[in-house]
Amino acid sequence: GENVEQHPSTLSVQEGDSAVIKCTYSDSASNYFPWYKQELGKRPQLIIDIRSNVGEKKDQRIAVTLNKTAKHFSLHITETQPEDSAVYFCAASGFTGGGNKLTFGTGTQLKVEL
Amino acid sequence: NAGVMQNPRHLVRRRGQEARLRCSPMKGHSHVYWYRQLPEEGLKFMVYLQKENIIDESGMPKERFSAEFPKEGPSILRIQQVVRGDSAAYFCASSPNSGANVLTFGAGSRLTVL
Repeated sequence: GENVEQHPSTLSVQEGDSAVIKCTYSDSASNYFPWYKQELGKRPQLIIDIRSNVGEKKDQRIAVTLNKTAKHFSLHITETQPEDSAVYFCAASGFTGGGNKLTFGTGTQLKVEL
Repeated sequence: NAGVMQNPRHLVRRRGQEARLRCSPMKGHSHVYWYRQLPEEGLKFMVYLQKENIIDESGMPKERFSAEFPKEGPSILRIQQVVRGDSAAYFCASSPNSGANVLTFGAGSRLTVL
């Protein structure tokens, strides 16, 4: 099955700096890579996703890059703000039999300091 | 659209009791996924169901755990004879009939076993 590794496990940045979180996956058949943000005690919320036919996707201060050859993908947050502080999870999946099963990374605790 | 609804939000059980967690997917979604999140850990896939069918239960413990998604009513995750190690947040997610990859998560059910 799929295995997703995520680094770093914790990340502290100053407000206004950029933050980068990296993930690698093992299954070359995976074709969908979402990123979820989870605040303490809350549900995971999708912030951005990318599919295997695209190398980069951007949404305001958030961008994701995908390197299918190397089987890794990254989340980039620019101009970080205190409200960006949360745990971020990457995930990977392939389309299987009419549905989807996400395999998650272990999470990155991002802390944006004033 | 009320989103993915889970109840109860919090459940306390004593060792040996049964826990039943319910999940109503978003309107129009027929794919339901259950994930477990231990304290300060990532999301672990448990089971994927469509109406009246278990599609993938590769993440379910072999004993004491079961899941169903009947033709009418919510999906139910049932844990029999709970033990302290079952204490966790259980998240349900749903995806559209089309089998698209985007998963929308519910707010979770937090089980505490005394």
